[in-house]
Amino acid sequence: AQSVAQPEDQVNVAEGNPLTVKCTYSVSGNPYLFWYVQYPNRGLQFLLKYITGDNLVKGSYGFEAEFNKSQTSFHLKKPSALVSDSALYFCAVFGYALNFGKGTSLLVTP
Amino acid sequence: DTAVSQTPKYLVTQMGNDKSIKCEQNLGHDTMYWYKQDSKKFLKIMFSYNNKELIINETVPNRFSPKSPDKAHLNLHINSLELGDSAVYFCASSRFGQQFFGPGTRLTVL
Repeated sequence: AQSVAQPEDQVNVAEGNPLTVKCTYSVSGNPYLFWYVQYPNRGLQFLLKYITGDNLVKGSYGFEAEFNKSQTSFHLKKPSALVSDSALYFCAVFGYALNFGKGTSLLVTP
Repeated sequence: DTAVSQTPKYLVTQMGNDKSIKCEQNLGHDTMYWYKQDSKKFLKIMFSYNNKELIINETVPNRFSPKSPDKAHLNLHINSLELGDSAVYFCASSRFGQQFFGPGTRLTVL
């Protein structure tokens, strides 16, 4: 079974600091990994994906993620957080559909 | 133009009623999905259709019946609504794994 885990319910970061939102995966075969963001009362927006190739994936809004096969991780990162980045972030793995992690709430304080 | 649209955006109804949620995508994708997001923000796949044929049916009560009249539409009909059906329902379409989500339908069962 394809699954992902997000170990943190909430991440707090000061504006301007780097941020990391963690995700680990458990798959058989090659993983198709995704990050989505959900702003309050909104749908899910695609940030980035890893299918194959370069382990550092760049996505929307200045986000990037690093695929690490040995640690089975796909952490989301941003060098300098903005208050407007505050939202709910989902890691997901694609099997026949997207299997989502439980979500991590990111709070960026001014 | 909205890529994936859902109607209605909000749905408030009484227990025992039957209701439908409509979804349309104009992206030309072959695969469409319904996801449920519960009050704890957990996202879970319910159904997947590929080119009008059901390919995933997770452990969803048979009160939920998806219908795909053509590959641009995937509607969700729910019979005998229960309190536990209260959630946000997201439609999505995809090609090559990346999914595009609708804005969601917030269903409240009283």
